[in-house]
This record gives sequence, structure tokens and C-alpha cells, in this order.
Amino acid sequence: DVKVTQSSRYLVKRTGEKVFLECVQDMDHENMFWYRQDPGLGLRLIYFSYDVKMKEKGDIPEGYSVSREKKERFSLILESASTNQTSMYLCASTLDRPSNQPQHFGDGTRLSIL
Amino acid sequence: RKEVEQDPGPFNVPEGATVAFNCTYSNSASQSFFWYRQDCRKEPKLLMSVYSSGNEDGRFTAQLNRASQYISLLIRDSKLSDSATYLCVVKNSGYSTLTFGKGTMLLVSP
Repeated sequence: DVKVTQSSRYLVKRTGEKVFLECVQDMDHENMFWYRQDPGLGLRLIYFSYDVKMKEKGDIPEGYSVSREKKERFSLILESASTNQTSMYLCASTLDRPSNQPQHFGDGTRLSIL
Repeated sequence: RKEVEQDPGPFNVPEGATVAFNCTYSNSASQSFFWYRQDCRKEPKLLMSVYSSGNEDGRFTAQLNRASQYISLLIRDSKLSDSATYLCVVKNSGYSTLTFGKGTMLLVSP
């Protein structure tokens, strides 16, 4: 089974802090993704990566950055946390081929910015 | 027009009932289709992929109509444990990005 592990289930930070969310997958997947999920808005893609050191903006990249130094690890960084970044953050991964592969999700991180 | 649209529900059904969810998508170039299930405060989990010819997995049947850009999920003999939010998901062309519907909530009661 695919295992996608997010470093924290719950996290509380203060406004202005730099926040790191870590995600690790153990299936040698090329593609990794960061989403946030908010009530009434569904899942929205923040950033994704299709290879080491590669990154692409998703639908809502503002206020975030990412890092992929190793294939198995994809980090989401909140440069200066704000209260509107309080959300559920979900990491996912998938193989690049075949093209009809689904994404596998981590347990999620509930982040609260005070 | 929203990219993936679903009726948010909730659908309230008794145990044993048959229930169907529908989903429409706007991008005719979409390549792959999935149904995910999400329990309250949990991560989405893949329920089933949706194939062009339709496919079945136990009590669950998925259908795809590319001409109408329409996907459906049928659940037969509903169980209490089927209570969850069901997400319609479409894979876009190019990178492996997915577009998620906002989900349909199902509540199965005794």
C-alpha cells in the first residue's frame, strides 16, 4: 500500500511565523501535491512537483512556497503565516505513468494560525 | 461555469436503499475520472476509478458519459458505514493534476 506521511496532524502557529509542513511518500512517486481544504470551497491545489527540484504553481500559490530536494519529500512553506491560512492541508502523490493513476493522500494537517 | 459540479446534498437514505450521485465536468479534454470518499475530518480516499465502459466494484457502480460530460456513482444496499462525502474527481491533460468537485454528502440512517 502507498504510504503518504504528513509530519503533523495538528499544528498551531502565530501570525507572521514561518511554517513548514512536511510530506514523505514511500512509493517512489514522481508527482507530489499540496492542497488545502476549506468548508464550502473543496480541495484547492496550492503547488505540485513532478520531479526533484521542480515545482509548478497550482490554483492558489500566493503566500506559499515549496521545496523538493529529494524525490520522497515535498515541503510546503508558509513564508509569513496569516490567519486566512488556517485550514486543513493535504499532501498527495502519484506515479507519472500510466496516466490514469489516482492520487494517494496523507492524513492531513490541521493548521491554526492565531 | 465551475469545472466539476456536484449536488452538495445531503442525501438522507435508509439502510438498504439505492442512491445515485451525479457529477458534471466542463473540460472536454479531461482524461481520467475517479470517485473519492472522504469521512469527516479525514483525508480523501480513492473509492474507484471510472472507466469509459462503466465499472462495478461490489455495491458500487460508476458510469461515464463523455458526450454529456457526466459521471455517476450508484450505491446499492446502502450501509451505515457508507455515510461520508463523495468527491467527483477529474484528471486534466498535461500534468497529473486533478480537479475536485466539492462533494456530495451521504447520510445513511438505521
